[in-house]
Amino acid sequence: KNEVEQSPQNLTAQEGEFITINCSYSVGISALHWLQQHPGGGIVSLFMLSSGKKKHGRLIATINIQEKHSSLHITASHPRDSAVYICAAPGGGADGLTFGKGTHLIIQP
Amino acid sequence: DTGVSQDPRHKITKRGQNVTFRCDPISEHNRLYWYRQTLGQGPEFLTYFQNEAQLEKSRLLSDRFSAERPKGSFSTLEIQRTEQGDSAMYLCASSFSGGWADTQYFGPGTRLTVL
Repeated sequence: KNEVEQSPQNLTAQEGEFITINCSYSVGISALHWLQQHPGGGIVSLFMLSSGKKKHGRLIATINIQEKHSSLHITASHPRDSAVYICAAPGGGADGLTFGKGTHLIIQP
Repeated sequence: DTGVSQDPRHKITKRGQNVTFRCDPISEHNRLYWYRQTLGQGPEFLTYFQNEAQLEKSRLLSDRFSAERPKGSFSTLEIQRTEQGDSAMYLCASSFSGGWADTQYFGPGTRLTVL
């Protein structure tokens, strides 16, 4: 079973700050997912990446397959970025996707 | 594309009762997944379907849980003899093709409270 760890668990920052959320996993994978969950439970898929780097607007995700590590960055953070950010990796077979516990991000104006 | 829908959005039941949840995936999606999320935790995989075939079932899933996708479209998740520990958000997701590297689209979830 893949063990997925995220850090930090909680992060409070001021509007405009550069944000980094980290994710590490224990077993080699084909792809890693980054998800965003807003209060009320809705989950949105942000990225699925298997190598290198992807960018959508102010969000950047990177992955280092050799080190089994991924990061999610938010540039010019805004209060609307406040949410829980979750990474997930395939666990293999009956383990499905294994999710991290999430990083609760609050951006203060 | 109307997105993934789930019904009901909230369910309150008494311990020992049976409950059934429904998930309607995005219409052209072949894969359908069920997850459970408790407060403060990330989602936890329960099971998934490729069309109508249930391919994997989590070792954590007790025999009281059963899922079906009879025509390869909507799916139901039934919990028999509910326990207080079953209280959680039950999430459904779908994806177009096979493989864990495919983007999954999540429904809004069904929040279950067992009294």
